[in-house]
Amino acid sequence: GIQVEQSPPDLILQEGANSTLRCNFSDSVNNLQWFHQNPWGQLINLFYIPSGTKQNGRLSATTVATERYSLLYISSSQTTDSGVYFCAVRINAGNMLTFGGGTRLMVKP
Amino acid sequence: DTGVSQNPRHKITKRGQNVTFRCDPISEHNRLYWYRQTLGQGPEFLTYFQNEAQLEKSRLLSDRFSAERPKGSFSTLEIQRTEQGDSAMYLCASRGSNTEAFFGQGTRLTVV
Repeated sequence: GIQVEQSPPDLILQEGANSTLRCNFSDSVNNLQWFHQNPWGQLINLFYIPSGTKQNGRLSATTVATERYSLLYISSSQTTDSGVYFCAVRINAGNMLTFGGGTRLMVKP
Repeated sequence: DTGVSQNPRHKITKRGQNVTFRCDPISEHNRLYWYRQTLGQGPEFLTYFQNEAQLEKSRLLSDRFSAERPKGSFSTLEIQRTEQGDSAMYLCASRGSNTEAFFGQGTRLTVV
């Protein structure tokens, strides 16, 4: 099956810093989503971005499907950004989302 | 519509007991998924429904697990003869055709 790798696995930032999270995948995909998992375990949708670039406030994402990676940018980080960020992909012939291992982000005040 | 709803939010059960979880998807979504997530890991796919038909099942879904989606609306996931290794967060998601998936709050199962 498709492999999804996220880096870095852990990240500690000072409030106000910027960061880039990466997601590499091993096959062609027709769907890619970024999620933020809050401390209570719920997955919050950040971006639905099979290709191109999108921005939502301090967050933006870019997917280069031909090179099989996606990037999530967090600017001016806040303590509320802490949590786990997951990338998930769906292959062209499939139905399920396959998740990466996540990036655990801690933003310190 | 308030999104994907899962019940209960937490369940503690004794080893060997049966448990059942419920998922109510977003009303216009015809696709429904169950995932399992253990501590420190990403969610792992368990099973997928399109309308009432169960179209995919992971090898993770042992014979003790069964899922249904009668009438293509809500879904239930039952675990029989629970084991300590079943302790996990069980997540439900739904989506329409060619749209993004949305997840519920999850049901956290603890088997003691």
